[in-house]
Amino acid sequence: GAVVSQHPSRVICKSGTSVKIECRSLDFQATTMFWYRQFPKQSLMLMATSNEGSKATYEQGVEKDKFLINHASLTLSTLTVTSAHPEDSSFYICSASTGTGDSNTEAFFGQGTRLTVV
Amino acid sequence: GQNIDQPTEMTATEGAIVQINCTYQTSGFNGLFWYQQHAGEAPTFLSYNVLDGLEEKGRFSSFLSRSKGYSYLLLKELQMKDSASYLCAVRDGDYKLSFGAGTTVTVRA
Repeated sequence: GAVVSQHPSRVICKSGTSVKIECRSLDFQATTMFWYRQFPKQSLMLMATSNEGSKATYEQGVEKDKFLINHASLTLSTLTVTSAHPEDSSFYICSASTGTGDSNTEAFFGQGTRLTVV
Repeated sequence: GQNIDQPTEMTATEGAIVQINCTYQTSGFNGLFWYQQHAGEAPTFLSYNVLDGLEEKGRFSSFLSRSKGYSYLLLKELQMKDSASYLCAVRDGDYKLSFGAGTTVTVRA
């Protein structure tokens, strides 16, 4: 299957700082990328949908000024957690889709990023 | 949002069969996915159903009934490494995936 690379896999940062997480599709062009957050023993919650060259669409309750998403190319989307606080500590996962027109496409997931804010 | 329900936990013996049910309500439907997730790792794709019926893939099979909003994942010949969380996910009319809370399967010797 297609490969999605997410970096870093783990990051520890101080409260108040910003952290950038990268999501790359390595062998296909991802017109749409999705960002999820997962708290311990809970399921994945969609945060936002990112389309190349346009503004991200955020789910209800997700602060767009706090979670900045940039999808500058068909192979790269970034999520920046700004002014991070301990409650932002979570597992962040990206996924990429090859396009909305092909209903056989599963979403390919990155490896996930474990963010710990101290 | 979508309503996706699946049991929280299931326990089974090595070599046995376990069936994980998933019911859903969604606005538009563009497929149902099953993923396996081990603790601390990202989900890995197991199966995809968009038409009614059974899809078999080795030890894993998945069934879909669109009229009933129902799916199940069948795990046969259980192995210890199958202990994991299994996530049911539905893609809606906007091609967004929504996940159920996951079913933790524990395989015992």
